[in-house]
Amino acid sequence: DAKTTQPPSMDCAEGRAANLPCNHSTISGNEYVYWYRQIHSQGPQYIIHGLKNNETNEMASLIITEDRKSSTLILPHATLRDTAVYYCIVSSGGSNYKLTFGKGTLLTVNP
Amino acid sequence: DTAVSQTPKYLVTQMGNDKSIKCEQNLGHDTMYWYKQDSKKFLKIMFSYNNKELIINETVPNRFSPKSPDKAHLNLHINSLELGDSAVYFCASSQAAGITGELFFGEGSRLTVL
Repeated sequence: DAKTTQPPSMDCAEGRAANLPCNHSTISGNEYVYWYRQIHSQGPQYIIHGLKNNETNEMASLIITEDRKSSTLILPHATLRDTAVYYCIVSSGGSNYKLTFGKGTLLTVNP
Repeated sequence: DTAVSQTPKYLVTQMGNDKSIKCEQNLGHDTMYWYKQDSKKFLKIMFSYNNKELIINETVPNRFSPKSPDKAHLNLHINSLELGDSAVYFCASSQAAGITGELFFGEGSRLTVL
């Protein structure tokens, strides 16, 4: 599976949009981009995933560049409860489907 | 009603002991996983089972033995515990192997080996 690069930390003001970048320049055509987050001491939580098109759900939006080499997770109105480590993961399906977590980005939402 | 539940949540034990962590999912999923998160917070996959069959085994010492009595349960037994086994162990499930989608994680079991 392709590797990803994320900034180690970011800050965001409460109520503002949080834009979390991820580089995955070696992504291959059948690999999806997944985003998970881990709030302190809890299990990781799925946020969103996509292949080529931009995706939106009740939690966030995922913007994938046309060449698919990078993506941005957008939390439109960050709250204090969004403070967490956010993981960008690239993975394909198949019988050995698994997600390999990197170091992620610690997003701190400030009041 | 917890989707993926693990027991115990906390486990403190001495080196050399044998311990088990249990996991159950009520989502009707076919695939279950064990992940380990160490003190540096890296989250690494250990095992994956699809419908009671082992499909992923990621260079884990033989002291770790997963067992899946049915597709809703995946237990982790650890023999001869070592200090380095101290970590948080997360169980997860997904709809089916080979199908991309969401992993549902449990709340973790924090193992401390003294």
